[in-house]
Amino acid sequence: SAVISQKPSRDICQRGTSLTIQCQVDSQVTMMFWYRQQPGQSLTLIATANQGSEATYESGFVIDKFPISRPNLTFSTLTVSNMSPEDSSIYLCSVRGGSGTSSNEQYFGPGTRLTVT
Amino acid sequence: EDQVTQSPEALRLQEGESSSLNCSYTVSGLRGLFWYRQDPGKGPEFLFTLYSAGEEKEKERLKATLTKKESFLHITAPKPEDSATYLCAVQAKGNTPLVFGKGTRLSVIA
Repeated sequence: SAVISQKPSRDICQRGTSLTIQCQVDSQVTMMFWYRQQPGQSLTLIATANQGSEATYESGFVIDKFPISRPNLTFSTLTVSNMSPEDSSIYLCSVRGGSGTSSNEQYFGPGTRLTVT
Repeated sequence: EDQVTQSPEALRLQEGESSSLNCSYTVSGLRGLFWYRQDPGKGPEFLFTLYSAGEEKEKERLKATLTKKESFLHITAPKPEDSATYLCAVQAKGNTPLVFGKGTRLSVIA
């Protein structure tokens, strides 16, 4: 299975600032995703990160608020822009398919716990 | 719209007391049903993918089964270290994103 790391693991940020979260995978993967998990809730997909092109966002999420980059097959970033307390969540990177994982298995990183004050 | 409903929301078992968690789903053509375990403060850990009705998969004390409408995660003789939230997700045909349920929070008491 693919090994996924995320940086930072946690952060406390001021309202109105931005935070960029990095996701690094130890093998080339086909698909990369970003999820949000609010306290006590399940996972909500923010977007699919597409290599070399704009990410595909789910309903309710927009590029201006959550810009995403994916420069290659092993790395992606998610930025949470102009943060408010409602953005306090765990943000999770997830991957599927590629040299290190089956296309029928999807793996998650350890998450980034974000608190906005 | 694809939907996943998990029950119960929370389950408390004595060590050794076997039970089952339920995942009911509606999906426009099932490609796969996924089970994950999530410990507090960590990302979900992949357990199983099931593809067709009648399929079963096992891992240690866990066995997952699948019908056309639901999946069960059977836990046999659980131990305190099995305490976690168990998440179910479905993927429709095509390379579509997973849709998750809200999870079942399992507590196993020694």
